[in-house]
Amino acid sequence: QVQLVESGGGVVQPGRSLRLSCAASGFTFNNYAMHWVRQAPGKGLKWVASISYDGTSTYYADSVKGRFTISRDNSKNTLYLQMNSLRAEDTAVYFCARGGILTGYSAMDPWGRGTLVTVSS
Amino acid sequence: DVVMTQSPLSLPVTLGQPASISCRSSQSLVYSDGNTYLNWFQQRPGQSPRRLIYKVSNRDSGVPDRFSGSGSGTDFTLKINRVEAEDVGVYYCMQGTHWPLTFGGGTKVEIK
Repeated sequence: QVQLVESGGGVVQPGRSLRLSCAASGFTFNNYAMHWVRQAPGKGLKWVASISYDGTSTYYADSVKGRFTISRDNSKNTLYLQMNSLRAEDTAVYFCARGGILTGYSAMDPWGRGTLVTVSS
Repeated sequence: DVVMTQSPLSLPVTLGQPASISCRSSQSLVYSDGNTYLNWFQQRPGQSPRRLIYKVSNRDSGVPDRFSGSGSGTDFTLKINRVEAEDVGVYYCMQGTHWPLTFGGGTKVEIK
């Protein structure tokens, strides 16, 4: 079955970096767009970034543009989120989610269980 | 950015009774290909979100048929025919027509 497993979260000081990973299995990873979505503690869902099936197209929320980089390694069936210059307001559970075929960005199913990032001194 | 406004914020429902959640977008969600990319998600307590409905009214595999989606343009509704205990959680609408992708603020469904 389709499975997405995030890792790489933890506690990090403001201004530092962290890289999240999302290991995918159960489907042909290199056929699908992928997303990162975050959820601050007790808050709603916020889209962070998306990437096309081949990694050539990327999209970012304004709040992370220039600081975060989404990428993928199709040979490893893995999605990444490189997060630099972290701020307290980046504290959240980060979910990866499968998009649609190729550049089907409107789809977002299924989701992983998420990984918690806490930015604190 | 397209603002997605959900109402109500909280929805206490009696078991077996219907429930309805509204989602309004600040712009039309009809894409140039003619499709309307409006999704509904359910997030049960302590779980990750799960998509229920895509493109306004298409139920995902495994989603009970008591869930239905409707609407067009800027006005959308998620209905639960007869609420069951397992339906407790927060429901979000999300538009996939315009960048950036945006979610509604969520509606918390609880049992009275």
